Amino acid sequence: NAGVTQTPKFQVLKTGQSMTLQCAQDMNHNSMYWYRQDPGMGLRLIYYSASEGTTDKGEVPNGYNVSRLNKREFSLRLESAAPSQTSVYFCASIDRVTGNTIYFGEGSWLTVV
Amino acid sequence: KQEVTQIPAALSVPEGENLVLNCSFTDSAIYNLQWFRQDPGKGLTSLLLIQSSQREQTSGRLNASLDKSSGRSTLYIAASQPGDSATYLCAVRGRNAGNMLTFGGGTRLMVKP
Repeated sequence: NAGVTQTPKFQVLKTGQSMTLQCAQDMNHNSMYWYRQDPGMGLRLIYYSASEGTTDKGEVPNGYNVSRLNKREFSLRLESAAPSQTSVYFCASIDRVTGNTIYFGEGSWLTVV
Repeated sequence: KQEVTQIPAALSVPEGENLVLNCSFTDSAIYNLQWFRQDPGKGLTSLLLIQSSQREQTSGRLNASLDKSSGRSTLYIAASQPGDSATYLCAVRGRNAGNMLTFGGGTRLMVKP
C-alpha cells in the first residue's frame, strides 16, 4: 500500500525560483491537505481540498497556489520562493465520509537560499 | 480560532516510567481529537483517534482521554521504552468545512535506557 506519496523529498531553491510539490494518494479519499511544519510551531494548514474540483485557503496560504488535478493528486506550487518558505511540507488525506484517520506523506524538505 | 497547546514541549524520562502528555484546546466544538507520533525526518503516524462522544481510547500501552468540556486531552504511556522516543502531536478536528485539523506544537519525548 503506497498511501500518500510526495515528491520531491528534498529540494534547494534560490530566492525567486518556482517549483511544484506533488502529492498523490491511492486510498480514494475525498479530502486532501497541504501543511508546513516549522520548529516549535506544529503543523499549519496552507491549503486544502475538501473534494475533487474544490480548493480553499488554510491558515498560511500566502505565497502558495494549489491544484486538485483529480481525486488522487493535489499539488502545491511556490511561484516565487522566499527564504521564509524554508520548511518541511506534508501532504495528507482523509476520508471525509467517515472522518476518521488522517494519513500523511513522508514530507518534503525545502530550503530556499 | 482554535488554538491547541501541548505541555511540556520536551520530556526526558528513564526507561520503565509511566508518563502523561498533555494537550489543551480552546474551542470545545470538535468532531474528534487525534494523537500522532513523529520520528525524526519522518511523517506523522496516527496513534489514537477519540471521537467527541468518547471519553478515551486505548491501544496497547497507550491510553488517550478526552474531556471536551474542559478542552483537555491526555496521552498516557505505560512502562515507557527507548523505542517510544519521538515527538508526539495532538490535533483537533473542528466543526468547520474541510475537516481541517489544528495541531499543537508537540512534545518531544526521550526515554533513556
